[in-house]
Amino acid sequence: NAGVTQTPKFRILKIGQSMTLQCTQDMNHNYMYWYRQDPGMGLKLIYYSVGAGITDKGEVPNGYNVSRSTTEDFPLRLELAAPSQTSVYFCASIPAGLAGSEQFFGPGTRLTVL
Amino acid sequence: KQEVTQIPAALSVPEGENLVLNCSFTDSAIYNLQWFRQDPGKGLTSLLLIQSSQREQTSGRLNASLDKSSGRSTLYIAASQPGDSATYLCAGRDSGGYQKVTFGIGTKLQVIP
Repeated sequence: NAGVTQTPKFRILKIGQSMTLQCTQDMNHNYMYWYRQDPGMGLKLIYYSVGAGITDKGEVPNGYNVSRSTTEDFPLRLELAAPSQTSVYFCASIPAGLAGSEQFFGPGTRLTVL
Repeated sequence: KQEVTQIPAALSVPEGENLVLNCSFTDSAIYNLQWFRQDPGKGLTSLLLIQSSQREQTSGRLNASLDKSSGRSTLYIAASQPGDSATYLCAGRDSGGYQKVTFGIGTKLQVIP
């Protein structure tokens, strides 16, 4: 299993540009999450999904959109990039309803908006 | 709303010392608690997970405990090494809804040779 994969690893955007951060997991996990981590801070939840076709907002959803057409993929879309979106973005997944199951993380995407 | 706090924010110790990192949470109805390690510029590596029904978990030199009644978890690192230098994050997972995971901001550990 590859686990959780994210692309790209790095990206520089200009203000106003758009992009999609890709996230794929091959563990058949129901729950998937997008977090952002600003320097010296913890992780904040952007969006989450409890299964294909079901998504909802987390703590900091403004400026982002998501979709979940398959169990494996959970892309994060940035529209009209702003400097405040400069951050490291992590995708994660959990199998449903198992207290002994870990949250698995992708390697992250480091995004800079100039 | 679950809140997770980690104290201290930073810690510097000489090599070989045993140390304890603290994590506190406000909602005792926690499903599990997971400890992660994060190296600078890197992703999160899972260290230990404690289910709500468990009191502790061990892996090598690491031991994590969970006390739901007091809202605390500790990560004990024995015989610290310079390679242990990293930021350590704890995260509490809810049982209901979308199984929200709430993170602390971490303890930055430096082990001095």
